[in-house]
Amino acid sequence: DGGITQSPKYLFRKEGQNVTLSCEQNLNHDAMYWYRQDPGQGLRLIYYSQIVNDFQKGDIAEGYSVSREKKESFPLTVTSAQKNPTAFYLCASSDRGLATEAFFGQGTRLTVV
Amino acid sequence: RKEVEQDPGPFNVPEGATVAFNCTYSNSASQSFFWYRQDCRKEPKLLMSVYSSGNEDGRFTAQLNRASQYISLLIRDSKLSDSATYLCAVNIEGGADGLTFGKGTHLIIQP
Repeated sequence: DGGITQSPKYLFRKEGQNVTLSCEQNLNHDAMYWYRQDPGQGLRLIYYSQIVNDFQKGDIAEGYSVSREKKESFPLTVTSAQKNPTAFYLCASSDRGLATEAFFGQGTRLTVV
Repeated sequence: RKEVEQDPGPFNVPEGATVAFNCTYSNSASQSFFWYRQDCRKEPKLLMSVYSSGNEDGRFTAQLNRASQYISLLIRDSKLSDSATYLCAVNIEGGADGLTFGKGTHLIIQP
């Protein structure tokens, strides 16, 4: 089955630790995105990548880092610099082009303990 | 700054009723529009795309009003299973950063 896989589903982090969230897609999509969702809030864009080895900051990139070494993979690292990392993290992908919808992974729920 | 606005609700609607809600967007260069459904603690899933001519999929109808810069979603004969949060999403012309999402409208269908 084609799709987007995020792992882990739940993640607990101690304060001061960096953690990496995995996102893999086999849809052959060029574009990939990371969003953050807080309770009762919409999706806010963290980082996006339109092509391998290139990525851009979104609206709330501070405290996060990404890499795009392979077309299929777009991991997100939540660093200790992110002061309020507890949230639901969603990875998405889409074909490049204007009228294309985004497809989402199942999300990773990160909690700082 | 591009913005997408939705009434957060909740909309409490009896089963079988018709419900409609809108989503306004501020950037007139917005070119593509979508409705997503998100269940509690799950990822958003595409419900339908919104075309200039409007489109219908079973009980769901989506329409676009470019002059007033809003899209709408109409649900007829609502079911208990329609209870969810409905997110609208827009993409602006030339926007490489993907879709901009509204905060969602929470719909509760009551028996």
